[in-house]
Amino acid sequence: ETGVTQSPTHLIKTRGQQVTLRCSSQSGHNTVSWYQQALGQGPQFIFQYYREEENGRGNFPPRFSGLQFPNYSSELNVNALELDDSALYLCASSLRVTSNTGELFFGEGSRLTVL
Amino acid sequence: AQSVSQHNHHVILSEAASLELGCNYSYGGTVNLFWYVQYPGQHLQLLLKYFSGDPLVKGIKGFEAEFIKSKFSFNLRKPSVQWSDTAEYFCAVNERSNDYKLSFGAGTTVTVRA
Repeated sequence: ETGVTQSPTHLIKTRGQQVTLRCSSQSGHNTVSWYQQALGQGPQFIFQYYREEENGRGNFPPRFSGLQFPNYSSELNVNALELDDSALYLCASSLRVTSNTGELFFGEGSRLTVL
Repeated sequence: AQSVSQHNHHVILSEAASLELGCNYSYGGTVNLFWYVQYPGQHLQLLLKYFSGDPLVKGIKGFEAEFIKSKFSFNLRKPSVQWSDTAEYFCAVNERSNDYKLSFGAGTTVTVRA
């Protein structure tokens, strides 16, 4: 177990709806990264949060947004859901020291199905 | 844009066979290199990593990987696999200058037959 917990584990939404996924970091970690893993593919970087601010972003549209809270937990929000958003969403926490993100510890993911 | 290529989509082996999984990346700058493993029903976990120094790195469970800079490769090896090595293996790379983003390959599913 990594100590990174995600909720919910599974959910089903319809096109156009909005979804919020949650992540609790491993104790002592100050950085959270989110990844999208479509079926048969490797994880794709969405964004990273450090000290409650977005620290870097991948090639995802603005309807993907996030938050990091003072306790370092995080949310991923996706608006106007599309069928292609169906995927496993992975949260990874790490301890960032200066510019070094550190080793990532992944949660088990939230599987989103968009109908 | 940086990309990571894994040569095999699915590998099937018998126990005690040797395993080698290929990984190539496209970025020409200084990189950090990783192999992650996902066992059935479990989360992604780090198998081994290379940041600098000896290009032959050893990880958990008898795995090792060799960084060959001239070939932009970081191949994973294990001399003798066990049934418990059945899993999906991902190669990943990040740029040392912007290490917040980890780029993953598509993964290789390894099935070890008892």
